[in-house]
Amino acid sequence: GAGVSQSPSNKVTEKGKDVELRCDPISGHTALYWYRQSLGQGLEFLIYFQGNSAPDKSGLPSDRFSAERTGGSVSTLTIQRTQQEDSAVYLCASSLEGNRGQHFGDGTRLSIL
Amino acid sequence: KQEVTQIPAALSVPEGENLVLNCSFTDSAIYNLQWFRQDPGKGLTSLLLIQSSQREQTSGRLNASLDKSSGRSTLYIAASQPGDSATYLCAAVGGSSNTGKLIFGQGTTLQVKP
Repeated sequence: GAGVSQSPSNKVTEKGKDVELRCDPISGHTALYWYRQSLGQGLEFLIYFQGNSAPDKSGLPSDRFSAERTGGSVSTLTIQRTQQEDSAVYLCASSLEGNRGQHFGDGTRLSIL
Repeated sequence: KQEVTQIPAALSVPEGENLVLNCSFTDSAIYNLQWFRQDPGKGLTSLLLIQSSQREQTSGRLNASLDKSSGRSTLYIAASQPGDSATYLCAAVGGSSNTGKLIFGQGTTLQVKP
């Protein structure tokens, strides 16, 4: 069956621009997570969705970062006024419910010039 | 605050060797622990998930153990093959977490030489 799908796979943009990253979870998975993987910090949690609600946003690094989920399915992570330190791979994962095994997409590699 | 550590950071072995990757965590009250594999430029592939009530899980040549009292998990790979070369990550879900968010170690990069 289809796994977690993320788009775009690569994104290069200029500092100060806004970017949107998309995640399509596995069908039927109610829990959705965003993580960020960077060279200096490893893999870090950003935000958790249960259905369309985000009960845990504790990992979002600043108010330039926001995310939404619609229809209990697709999620979009938006970064406004991008900075060079935002350069990283952004990974999305989904699971049947919280505290169950997570399945990851291939990520979006974001490069800020 | 849960912290996860993996040792060694890198490992190189000849093909056919059995090997052990180590993962330690600071808070023994974990809900579960998951081992992943990451190939260059790719996402994470789940290998094994161990619930807090379990001591080990096996899949093919892989065996993962969990010892909450000592705060340790190991991933045992039998008869290693060049195709096993990848970065291996362990991640824990805290016992107090009702979200399931994963806390990751820094990973062990494995190279299996033909």
